[in-house]
Amino acid sequence: NAGVMQNPRHLVRRRGQEARLRCSPMKGHSHVYWYRQLPEEGLKFMVYLQKENIIDESGMPKERFSAEFPKEGPSILRIQQVVRGDSAAYFCASSPSTGTYEQYFGPGTRLTVT
Amino acid sequence: ELKVEQNPLFLSMQEGKNYTIYCNYSTTSDRLYWYRQDPGKSLESLFVLLSNGAVKQEGRLMASLDTKARLSTLHITAAVHDLSATYFCAVDGGGSNYKLTFGKGTLLTVNP
Repeated sequence: NAGVMQNPRHLVRRRGQEARLRCSPMKGHSHVYWYRQLPEEGLKFMVYLQKENIIDESGMPKERFSAEFPKEGPSILRIQQVVRGDSAAYFCASSPSTGTYEQYFGPGTRLTVT
Repeated sequence: ELKVEQNPLFLSMQEGKNYTIYCNYSTTSDRLYWYRQDPGKSLESLFVLLSNGAVKQEGRLMASLDTKARLSTLHITAAVHDLSATYFCAVDGGGSNYKLTFGKGTLLTVNP
């Protein structure tokens, strides 16, 4: 059973470009969490999604960031018009279903904005 | 606002020594998680503690949970170089809210 997959693993974008980060949860998992790890701030929750639904986006910046988890395909975290402050490691985690506390983390996408 | 505080943030140890990392949290949730992260890598789950008095051990690491004090400890016994990593504790929101709030992490360096 493959683990949580994220791609790309490394992404370089110039300021003002768009970044798309993909997360394929473990097989059979329908819940996805995104976290961001900034160098001086540690790991922070961004958004929690189920298939076709955003359950909790309380950690998402109000502008430029969006997330989706369609019925088919991976979850996508989209950052528009990236700025240097968006440089970070972005991790997704998946869990099987409601009522399950265990989250399995992917390898992360390291975004560098130049 | 939910807070998770770890200390120390930096820990340099000699091989063979013992030490404890502390994790205080403010939430009423009593699900406490410990993770390990190696440089440039993802998070590896070490322990999940679900009840007051829970104690779990794996190799040289032992984690415990005191829900009344809202305190968890990660004890390292006879440290070895391979334990060098950053260790995070985290709590979730309680009930059906599983989003994690992390401490800042403890960077552990074990010196020969």
